Amino acid sequence: GESVGLHLPTLSVQEGDNSIINCAYSNSASDYFIWYKQESGKGPQFIIDIRSNMDKRQGQRVTVLLNKTVKHLSLQIAATQPGDSAVYFCAENRAQGGSEKLVFGKGTKLTVNP
Amino acid sequence: DVKVTQSSRYLVKRTGEKVFLECVQDMDHENMFWYRQDPGLGLRLIYFSYDVKMKEKGDIPEGYSVSREKKERFSLILESASTNQTSMYLCASSRARDEKLFFGSGTQLSVL
Repeated sequence: GESVGLHLPTLSVQEGDNSIINCAYSNSASDYFIWYKQESGKGPQFIIDIRSNMDKRQGQRVTVLLNKTVKHLSLQIAATQPGDSAVYFCAENRAQGGSEKLVFGKGTKLTVNP
Repeated sequence: DVKVTQSSRYLVKRTGEKVFLECVQDMDHENMFWYRQDPGLGLRLIYFSYDVKMKEKGDIPEGYSVSREKKERFSLILESASTNQTSMYLCASSRARDEKLFFGSGTQLSVL
């Protein structure tokens, strides 16, 4: 099975709290990582990405942390809002058989309680 | 913003029918992809294309074929639809091989 995975399949937070969604990967040669958000009935939407020469990248209310030592990726959402409720996927750009491909995790469902 | 447009949002077909799913992107991207998404299985790559008239098999190509006659258009074909092909189908494009994918809204296909 896929080794891009998640520590928790679901996460429930209170509105205004910070959310942390985790992802593990197994290929130490992977050099590019992406987080996607998918709302019900819609296609995945790009949130933020990070390359392996960085360990942190910030966007608007979101931060991605990359720990290459333990092959761990996390997405932090500050001041979580009801509109953040969705499934979040990590993706890993993995070299495989002479080519590269994006491998997606199964997703974490984030629920924001008012 | 990149726009990836899938021709149908919902589609209902009968077993044995030939089904065409169309996808168009408007940002001159080289690469296009077809995935299917099923509960508990995540996103699985069916076929992809890095250039016009070029196609490569993904992880689950059986029962599918693709066509890329023009750079902006990538079609997924189910030669003879079966009930196990009931799924959400997602098209995506990217500018380069190590860059993010932009996804369409998806086509929910039901094969009866």
